[in-house]
Amino acid sequence: LAKTTQPISMDSYEGQEVNITCSHNNIATNDYITWYQQFPSQGPRFIIQGYKTKVTNEVASLFIPADRKSSTLSLPRVSLSDTAVYYCLVALYNNNDMRFGAGTRLTVKP
Amino acid sequence: GAGVSQTPSNKVTEKGKYVELRCDPISGHTALYWYRQSLGQGPEFLIYFQGTGAADDSGLPNDRFFAVRPEGSVSTLKIQRTERGDSAVYLCASSLGAGGPFNEQFFGPGTRLTVL
Repeated sequence: LAKTTQPISMDSYEGQEVNITCSHNNIATNDYITWYQQFPSQGPRFIIQGYKTKVTNEVASLFIPADRKSSTLSLPRVSLSDTAVYYCLVALYNNNDMRFGAGTRLTVKP
Repeated sequence: GAGVSQTPSNKVTEKGKYVELRCDPISGHTALYWYRQSLGQGPEFLIYFQGTGAADDSGLPNDRFFAVRPEGSVSTLKIQRTERGDSAVYLCASSLGAGGPFNEQFFGPGTRLTVL
């Protein structure tokens, strides 16, 4: 399994764009990158997933450079309710092996 | 529709006791997962079921932990001779098909276990 490295915490202000970068130097050819979000006292929730280049949905964008050794989750115009822990995971797309790291604790301030 | 539900939401027990934690997955989801989450840490994988069988139990910490899913729906995580170190939030998730990131995992709210 590719090991992932993320910042432990980040602060931002309402209305700003937030970019959280995850390093995964040992990513394998068949690995996909997935991001989950977790609010206090809740289970994690899927945000976005990608393999290469850029993926966008109604919540976020995921940027993956050509070498795929890192990825960046981009949250546009964050609000207070985006305060949560964000996890980056790398795994084979058909593999159940989801191993979470410690995640990045994002705090959005007014 | 109904999401993943877990009962009880909180469980307080004494060291050495036996506990059972229940998970009701989303209807129709064939894959079910158990995780354990300690304060300030990410979820730690315990076991994964595909249907009734445990496809991967490599995350169970020791033989005091056991999980079943006899009819391929509800699952029970069983912990024998509980220890204070077992205190954590136990999360259950389910997904539509065989495991993997392409099959988005839907998590329940968790059961907070406290061993005194």
